[in-house]
Amino acid sequence: DARVTQTPRDKVTEMGQEVTMRCQPILGHNTVFWYRQTMMQGLELLAYFRNRAPLDDSGMPKDRFSAEMPDATLATLKIQPSEPRDSAVYFCASGPGQTTDTQYFGPGTRLTVL
Amino acid sequence: QKEVEQNSGPLSVPEGAIASLNCTYSDRGSQSFFWYRQYSGKSPELIMSIYSNGDKEDGRFTAQLNKASQYVSLLIRDSQPSDSATYLCAVNRDSSYKLIFGSGTRLLVRP
Repeated sequence: DARVTQTPRDKVTEMGQEVTMRCQPILGHNTVFWYRQTMMQGLELLAYFRNRAPLDDSGMPKDRFSAEMPDATLATLKIQPSEPRDSAVYFCASGPGQTTDTQYFGPGTRLTVL
Repeated sequence: QKEVEQNSGPLSVPEGAIASLNCTYSDRGSQSFFWYRQYSGKSPELIMSIYSNGDKEDGRFTAQLNKASQYVSLLIRDSQPSDSATYLCAVNRDSSYKLIFGSGTRLLVRP
């Protein structure tokens, strides 16, 4: 049963600390997306990759967020330094590669910044 | 105006009734439309995708698309308490990979 995996599932940290979230896309999928979900803003796209190359990161605060794909099986989202307003659920999703394709979501990382 | 608009609800229907969920979008260039279901504390999961005007049926679910009116809907027949969740409408922008999500409609199915 192919699925997107994310680690950690929960993260509590203090303001100013670095946070790294990891995602393993479904094998064979070549598009990877990072979303953030909050009660106030809903589900927002932060960044996405195709064939490991970043296509759009306009949804990300550039000064503190960075997203990378070191290889086809790993995507990372880093926040440095973290702030309380970053508290949210961060979802990774992957897709087979066409713009019309469904995106399949991972279980999410619940981040709390104190 | 938000790019994808949904009534936040809650929409409350009795078990066995038809639930009708609606979504409007602003980008006329959108080509792909999706309905995701999200249970509390869980991740979104795909219910239906639709790309052409008209109806698309899958079991108890029917998606309806009207590009001229920029309107997409989801009908759930014979609603069950297990259908109680938030339903997210998503639309791709400019035929790109970028999906824009609505804020979701919370559906409550009363036993």
